[in-house]
Amino acid sequence: DAGITQSPRYKITETGRQVTLMCHQTWSHSYMFWYRQDLGHGLRLIYYSAAADITDKGEVPDGYVVSRSKTENFPLTLESATRSQTSVYFCASSESEGLTQYFGPGTRLTVL
Amino acid sequence: AQSVSQHNHHVILSEAASLELGCNYSYGGTVNLFWYVQYPGQHLQLLLKYFSGDPLVKGIKGFEAEFIKSKFSFNLRKPSVQWSDTAEYFCAVKQPGANNLFFGTGTRLTVIP
Repeated sequence: DAGITQSPRYKITETGRQVTLMCHQTWSHSYMFWYRQDLGHGLRLIYYSAAADITDKGEVPDGYVVSRSKTENFPLTLESATRSQTSVYFCASSESEGLTQYFGPGTRLTVL
Repeated sequence: AQSVSQHNHHVILSEAASLELGCNYSYGGTVNLFWYVQYPGQHLQLLLKYFSGDPLVKGIKGFEAEFIKSKFSFNLRKPSVQWSDTAEYFCAVKQPGANNLFFGTGTRLTVIP
């Protein structure tokens, strides 16, 4: 029962580099989400996807790009990483619109 | 946009003490409410949720929460905490049918054996 997995679990990169965080789920859930978790802010939604090839912005999308070519994968790309993007990133999925979201283990990203 | 307030940032309790963590939200309409827990080094797990019906919701591991519409609150309770309850607890709110889940800033619970 793999559920939802994220890779890498830890990443250190430099300002200006491109970074891609991977998210994979085995439940065939339609909806997938990316959140970032920062002290004092809780979790904030970056992007979400209702199905393959359908994505939409969340609360804090600037500086991020997503794609969803396959239902099970939802990669998040930082095209030119900045220090303010140092955070813990969580991927989540849900079976249908409005239902409970299930979270992955997170990726801790440090941008130097 | 919704705002979710968790006023207790860090709570320290001894084992067997009773727990109540506050959660208040801003939206005046119908809401779906959640409590998630994050154990040290682990991902978020759903503790309990409220969509409709009985406002007293029972979740896993002996936790419960009460939805009080007039107070815009969804406080989490447990009558007797254990050391293994040490974790961070997040309240989250969304509008029915919407996808954006709004989280509070979290409450860190430390239980002393």
